[in-house]
Amino acid sequence: DQQVKQNSPSLSVQEGRISILNCDYTNSMFDYFLWYKKYPAEGPTFLISISSIKDKNEDGRFTVFLNKSAKHLSLHIVPSQPGDSAVYFCAASFTGANSKLTFGKGITLSVRP
Amino acid sequence: DGGITQSPKYLFRKEGQNVTLSCEQNLNHDAMYWYRQDPGQGLRLIYYSQIVNDFQKGDIAEGYSVSREKKESFPLTVTSAQKNPTAFYLCASSKTSPKETQYFGPGTRLLVL
Repeated sequence: DQQVKQNSPSLSVQEGRISILNCDYTNSMFDYFLWYKKYPAEGPTFLISISSIKDKNEDGRFTVFLNKSAKHLSLHIVPSQPGDSAVYFCAASFTGANSKLTFGKGITLSVRP
Repeated sequence: DGGITQSPKYLFRKEGQNVTLSCEQNLNHDAMYWYRQDPGQGLRLIYYSQIVNDFQKGDIAEGYSVSREKKESFPLTVTSAQKNPTAFYLCASSKTSPKETQYFGPGTRLLVL
């Protein structure tokens, strides 16, 4: 059972425009959410996180929004740059014993020059 | 520079052979992890360790073994019992527990001859 879902496998946007990457989760116990960026043949790099006490967290061009009632989070990249082309993984965990990060399958973002 | 190193970058395994992937971190993190990534798949947890001389199975531990004799090191052995070992292997670490932000190494690509 996939608890973290990234239903769109790919996204293509024009350079300078906004990229919106979506992630849904099913486990209502999740209270900590992260986004990672991964280039081919490299390890994922931590981008940004958000805890469930907030609904928005911003870091430069990256903003993560959390909608707890919908069990949905999104990553906004503004403006998008060609170097943002990568696979983006959403991950989640909860406060409690035996909790581990659960990853989605990833979204491939392509930013066209 | 603090970080996680993995070696080798590419590794070739012959049928019936055990191979060991190296992972070292100098972040002073207590917890370390091994993930496997297959094309079109997310990150699947193989093993993790929260303290020296202790480790737990993840979601796909069969055919793999680990050791944690030092805080800095968490080697993964892919045994001959792993029938489909071709994948990209990622090592990660976090400060104390699996529910926190994890930081990844550059990965090792394992190929079967």
